[in-house]
Amino acid sequence: DTGVSQNPRHKITKRGQNVTFRCDPISEHNRLYWYRQTLGQGPEFLTYFQNEAQLEKSRLLSDRFSAERPKGSFSTLEIQRTEQGDSAMYLCASSSRLEVEFFGPGTRLTVL
Amino acid sequence: QQPVQSPQAVILREGEDAVINCSSSKALYSVHWYRQKHGEAPVFLMILLKGGEQKGHEKISASFNEKKQQSSLYLTASQLSYSGTYFCGTESYGGSQGNLIFGKGTKLSVKP
Repeated sequence: DTGVSQNPRHKITKRGQNVTFRCDPISEHNRLYWYRQTLGQGPEFLTYFQNEAQLEKSRLLSDRFSAERPKGSFSTLEIQRTEQGDSAMYLCASSSRLEVEFFGPGTRLTVL
Repeated sequence: QQPVQSPQAVILREGEDAVINCSSSKALYSVHWYRQKHGEAPVFLMILLKGGEQKGHEKISASFNEKKQQSSLYLTASQLSYSGTYFCGTESYGGSQGNLIFGKGTKLSVKP
Protein backbone atom coordinates (compact mmCIF):
# COMPACT_ATOMS: atom_id res chain seq x y z
CA ASP A 1 0.00 0.00 0.00
CA THR A 2 1.60 3.26 -1.13
CA GLY A 3 -0.89 5.64 0.50
CA VAL A 4 -0.49 7.82 3.57
CA SER A 5 -0.26 5.76 6.75
CA GLN A 6 -0.82 6.83 10.34
CA ASN A 7 -0.10 5.13 13.63
CA PRO A 8 -1.64 4.34 15.95
CA ARG A 9 -5.18 4.24 14.54
CA HIS A 10 -6.69 4.64 17.98
CA LYS A 11 -5.32 6.06 21.21
CA ILE A 12 -7.05 6.25 24.56
CA THR A 13 -5.26 8.22 27.23
CA LYS A 14 -5.90 9.84 30.55
CA ARG A 15 -6.03 13.59 30.94
CA GLY A 16 -2.59 15.02 31.58
CA GLN A 17 -0.68 12.33 29.72
CA ASN A 18 1.47 12.96 26.64
CA VAL A 19 0.72 11.28 23.32
CA THR A 20 2.61 11.06 20.04
CA PHE A 21 1.23 10.20 16.62
CA ARG A 22 3.14 9.27 13.52
CA CYS A 23 2.42 9.93 9.86
CA ASP A 24 4.22 8.38 6.90
CA PRO A 25 3.39 10.32 3.73
CA ILE A 26 3.40 9.06 0.17
CA SER A 27 7.08 8.67 -0.55
CA GLU A 28 7.55 11.26 -3.30
CA HIS A 29 5.42 13.93 -1.60
CA ASN A 30 7.36 16.85 -0.14
CA ARG A 31 4.40 18.51 1.57
CA LEU A 32 2.79 17.18 4.71
CA TYR A 33 -0.21 18.55 6.59
CA TRP A 34 -1.84 17.84 9.93
CA TYR A 35 -5.55 18.43 10.43
CA ARG A 36 -7.90 17.83 13.34
CA GLN A 37 -11.50 16.73 12.85
CA THR A 38 -14.24 16.60 15.45
CA LEU A 39 -17.61 14.93 15.03
CA GLY A 40 -19.83 16.63 12.49
CA GLN A 41 -17.16 19.08 11.37
CA GLY A 42 -14.78 19.33 8.47
CA PRO A 43 -11.04 18.92 9.00
CA GLU A 44 -9.32 21.92 10.62
CA PHE A 45 -5.79 22.82 9.55
CA LEU A 46 -3.13 22.50 12.25
CA THR A 47 0.26 22.73 10.60
CA TYR A 48 2.14 22.25 7.34
CA PHE A 49 5.62 21.09 6.37
CA GLN A 50 7.48 21.47 3.14
CA ASN A 51 10.24 18.92 3.32
CA GLU A 52 11.60 19.29 6.87
CA ALA A 53 10.58 22.93 7.31
CA GLN A 54 7.45 23.72 9.30
CA LEU A 55 6.05 26.62 7.33
CA GLU A 56 2.80 27.39 9.06
CA LYS A 57 1.02 26.69 12.31
CA SER A 58 -2.60 27.39 13.02
CA ARG A 59 -3.62 29.34 16.10
CA LEU A 60 -5.44 26.11 17.02
CA LEU A 61 -2.02 24.63 17.70
CA SER A 62 -1.41 25.62 21.31
CA ASP A 63 2.00 25.38 22.93
CA ARG A 64 1.05 21.90 24.13
CA PHE A 65 1.21 20.72 20.53
CA SER A 66 4.45 20.18 18.65
CA ALA A 67 5.11 18.65 15.28
CA GLU A 68 8.31 17.55 13.62
CA ARG A 69 9.34 16.16 10.29
CA PRO A 70 12.98 15.12 10.58
CA LYS A 71 14.74 14.68 7.26
CA GLY A 72 11.56 15.53 5.41
CA SER A 73 10.17 12.02 5.64
CA PHE A 74 7.73 10.88 8.32
CA SER A 75 6.20 13.34 10.76
CA THR A 76 5.22 13.18 14.42
CA LEU A 77 2.60 15.18 16.26
CA GLU A 78 2.95 15.31 20.04
CA ILE A 79 0.35 16.57 22.45
CA GLN A 80 1.56 17.26 25.97
CA ARG A 81 -0.66 17.35 29.05
CA THR A 82 -3.70 16.18 27.10
CA GLU A 83 -7.08 17.68 27.86
CA GLN A 84 -10.54 16.28 27.15
CA GLY A 85 -10.98 18.92 24.45
CA ASP A 86 -8.13 17.34 22.53
CA SER A 87 -10.32 14.31 21.77
CA ALA A 88 -10.66 14.23 18.00
CA MET A 89 -9.53 12.50 14.84
CA TYR A 90 -6.06 13.67 13.82
CA LEU A 91 -5.59 13.46 10.07
CA CYS A 92 -2.38 13.65 8.12
CA ALA A 93 -2.27 14.49 4.42
CA SER A 94 0.52 14.76 1.89
CA SER A 95 0.88 16.31 -1.52
CA SER A 96 3.34 16.98 -4.27
CA ARG A 97 3.47 20.08 -6.42
CA LEU A 98 0.23 18.92 -8.07
CA GLU A 99 -1.54 20.31 -4.99
CA VAL A 100 -3.90 17.38 -4.44
CA GLU A 101 -3.81 16.37 -0.81
CA PHE A 102 -4.17 12.68 -0.01
CA PHE A 103 -5.33 11.89 3.48
CA GLY A 104 -4.29 9.07 5.75
CA PRO A 105 -6.78 7.00 7.77
CA GLY A 106 -6.32 9.18 10.85
CA THR A 107 -5.60 8.60 14.53
CA ARG A 108 -8.63 8.77 16.77
CA LEU A 109 -7.67 10.20 20.17
CA THR A 110 -9.89 9.79 23.21
CA VAL A 111 -8.89 11.63 26.36
CA LEU A 112 -10.59 10.33 29.49
CA GLN B 1 -13.04 32.30 6.29
CA GLN B 2 -14.90 29.02 6.35
CA PRO B 3 -16.83 28.31 3.14
CA VAL B 4 -20.56 27.74 3.43
CA GLN B 5 -21.89 24.44 2.17
CA SER B 6 -25.49 23.75 1.28
CA PRO B 7 -27.56 21.78 1.83
CA GLN B 8 -26.43 20.38 5.18
CA ALA B 9 -27.96 17.02 4.37
CA VAL B 10 -29.78 15.34 1.53
CA ILE B 11 -31.53 12.00 1.15
CA LEU B 12 -31.84 10.46 -2.29
CA ARG B 13 -33.23 7.33 -3.85
CA GLU B 14 -30.86 5.42 -6.09
CA GLY B 15 -30.80 7.00 -9.52
CA GLU B 16 -31.70 10.50 -8.35
CA ASP B 17 -29.47 13.54 -8.82
CA ALA B 18 -28.05 15.97 -6.27
CA VAL B 19 -26.21 19.28 -6.26
CA ILE B 20 -23.99 20.41 -3.40
CA ASN B 21 -22.88 24.01 -3.22
CA CYS B 22 -19.83 25.64 -1.66
CA SER B 23 -19.74 29.42 -1.35
CA SER B 24 -17.21 31.98 -0.22
CA SER B 25 -17.49 35.71 0.35
CA LYS B 26 -14.15 36.25 -1.39
CA ALA B 27 -12.56 34.96 -4.56
CA LEU B 28 -10.78 31.67 -4.04
CA TYR B 29 -7.53 30.34 -5.42
CA SER B 30 -8.87 26.79 -5.59
CA VAL B 31 -11.61 24.47 -4.43
CA HIS B 32 -11.02 20.85 -3.49
CA TRP B 33 -13.85 18.34 -3.13
CA TYR B 34 -13.64 15.31 -0.86
CA ARG B 35 -15.99 12.52 0.19
CA GLN B 36 -15.72 10.95 3.61
CA LYS B 37 -17.46 7.80 4.76
CA HIS B 38 -18.07 7.21 8.42
CA GLY B 39 -14.88 6.34 10.27
CA GLU B 40 -12.72 6.71 7.18
CA ALA B 41 -10.35 9.34 5.80
CA PRO B 42 -11.55 11.95 3.31
CA VAL B 43 -11.06 10.77 -0.26
CA PHE B 44 -10.10 13.27 -2.93
CA LEU B 45 -12.64 13.77 -5.73
CA MET B 46 -11.39 16.74 -7.72
CA ILE B 47 -9.74 20.15 -7.62
CA LEU B 48 -10.82 23.27 -9.49
CA LEU B 49 -8.47 26.13 -10.13
CA LYS B 50 -9.87 28.26 -12.94
CA GLY B 51 -12.93 30.48 -13.04
CA GLY B 52 -15.58 28.94 -15.26
CA GLU B 53 -13.93 25.53 -15.02
CA GLN B 54 -15.97 22.35 -15.12
CA LYS B 55 -14.47 18.94 -14.64
CA GLY B 56 -15.25 15.40 -13.74
CA HIS B 57 -17.18 12.75 -15.59
CA GLU B 58 -20.85 12.26 -16.31
CA LYS B 59 -21.61 10.76 -12.92
CA ILE B 60 -19.69 13.12 -10.62
CA SER B 61 -18.65 16.53 -11.84
CA ALA B 62 -18.02 20.00 -10.46
CA SER B 63 -17.97 23.59 -11.57
CA PHE B 64 -16.26 26.76 -10.39
CA ASN B 65 -18.02 29.99 -11.25
CA GLU B 66 -16.39 32.84 -13.16
CA LYS B 67 -15.90 34.95 -10.05
CA LYS B 68 -14.32 31.98 -8.27
CA GLN B 69 -16.55 32.41 -5.25
CA GLN B 70 -18.82 29.40 -5.69
CA SER B 71 -18.35 25.80 -6.63
CA SER B 72 -20.98 23.14 -7.13
CA LEU B 73 -20.63 19.36 -7.06
CA TYR B 74 -23.05 17.44 -9.27
CA LEU B 75 -23.94 13.82 -8.51
CA THR B 76 -25.90 12.21 -11.31
CA ALA B 77 -27.87 8.95 -11.19
CA SER B 78 -26.72 8.39 -7.62
CA GLN B 79 -25.56 4.99 -6.44
CA LEU B 80 -25.55 3.53 -2.93
CA SER B 81 -21.77 3.99 -2.87
CA TYR B 82 -22.18 7.76 -3.14
CA SER B 83 -23.39 7.92 0.46
CA GLY B 84 -21.09 9.86 2.75
CA THR B 85 -20.26 13.39 3.78
CA TYR B 86 -18.98 15.72 1.09
CA PHE B 87 -16.60 18.49 2.02
CA CYS B 88 -15.28 21.37 0.01
CA GLY B 89 -11.85 22.64 1.01
CA THR B 90 -10.82 26.08 -0.17
CA GLU B 91 -7.57 27.95 -0.64
CA SER B 92 -7.56 31.73 -0.58
CA TYR B 93 -5.37 34.16 -2.45
CA GLY B 94 -2.53 35.22 -0.21
CA GLY B 95 -2.91 32.19 2.00
CA SER B 96 -0.41 29.39 2.43
CA GLN B 97 -0.55 26.81 -0.29
CA GLY B 98 -2.33 23.73 0.86
CA ASN B 99 -3.82 25.32 3.97
CA LEU B 100 -7.31 24.15 3.14
CA ILE B 101 -10.27 25.57 4.99
CA PHE B 102 -13.09 23.06 4.92
CA GLY B 103 -16.80 23.64 5.02
CA LYS B 104 -18.97 21.84 7.56
CA GLY B 105 -19.90 19.20 5.04
CA THR B 106 -23.01 17.90 3.32
CA LYS B 107 -24.26 14.52 4.42
CA LEU B 108 -25.60 12.52 1.50
CA SER B 109 -27.65 9.38 2.06
CA VAL B 110 -28.63 7.25 -0.91
CA LYS B 111 -31.40 4.76 -0.25
CA PRO B 112 -32.29 1.71 -2.38
